[in-house]
Amino acid sequence: NAGVTQTPKFQVLKTGQSMTLQCAQDMNHNSMYWYRQDPGMGLRLIYYSASEGTTDKGEVPNGYNVSRLNKREFSLRLESAAPSQTSVYFCASSERTGRPTEAFFGQGTRLTVV
Amino acid sequence: GQSLEQPSEVTAVEGAIVQINCTYQTSGFYGLSWYQQHDGGAPTFLSYNGLDGLEETGRFSSFLSRSDSYGYLLLQELQMKDSASYFCAVRGQAGTALIFGKGTTLSVSS
Repeated sequence: NAGVTQTPKFQVLKTGQSMTLQCAQDMNHNSMYWYRQDPGMGLRLIYYSASEGTTDKGEVPNGYNVSRLNKREFSLRLESAAPSQTSVYFCASSERTGRPTEAFFGQGTRLTVV
Repeated sequence: GQSLEQPSEVTAVEGAIVQINCTYQTSGFYGLSWYQQHDGGAPTFLSYNGLDGLEETGRFSSFLSRSDSYGYLLLQELQMKDSASYFCAVRGQAGTALIFGKGTTLSVSS
């Protein structure tokens, strides 16, 4: 039972390059999230998906796109990377019932844009 | 929109008790949680409050007052390994996103 798996763990991009961060969860959760974490800024929501087939913008969506491929997978795409997108990216999932604010996180992707 | 406020830093000594406060603004309320994050790691879930009152899990307790839009995390018998960042998080309504505060860095010294 892996929980939430993110790939890659580390990435260096040149300005203008594109890449996709992959995320998969095996807990049958409906909701999935992408956050970025910068020093002193906490976890800021980029996009989330409340259920398969739906996605919504969060606080900092500019420069990103997402795809909820199926219930398990939620990918984040940077079409043209910029140095301001240097950050640690976390994917997370949660379920609406039970403890709706309990989320499970992947190990993060440390992205540097040069 | 939704927002959360928590102190940026707290310091304490081993064996002490520390309280980290969180105030929130949401349209609706669907729960408050606390997360711990060690340097270089992922956030991990600590506690959930859906109703008013105190929830206890070992050395950690979390409190919620929905009428005051306020909660706190209480850490007892502090240990060096408790040095970490602590985040409160809320969800306003079913189907909305989980939003985090900026985090409180706890430093425990001997």
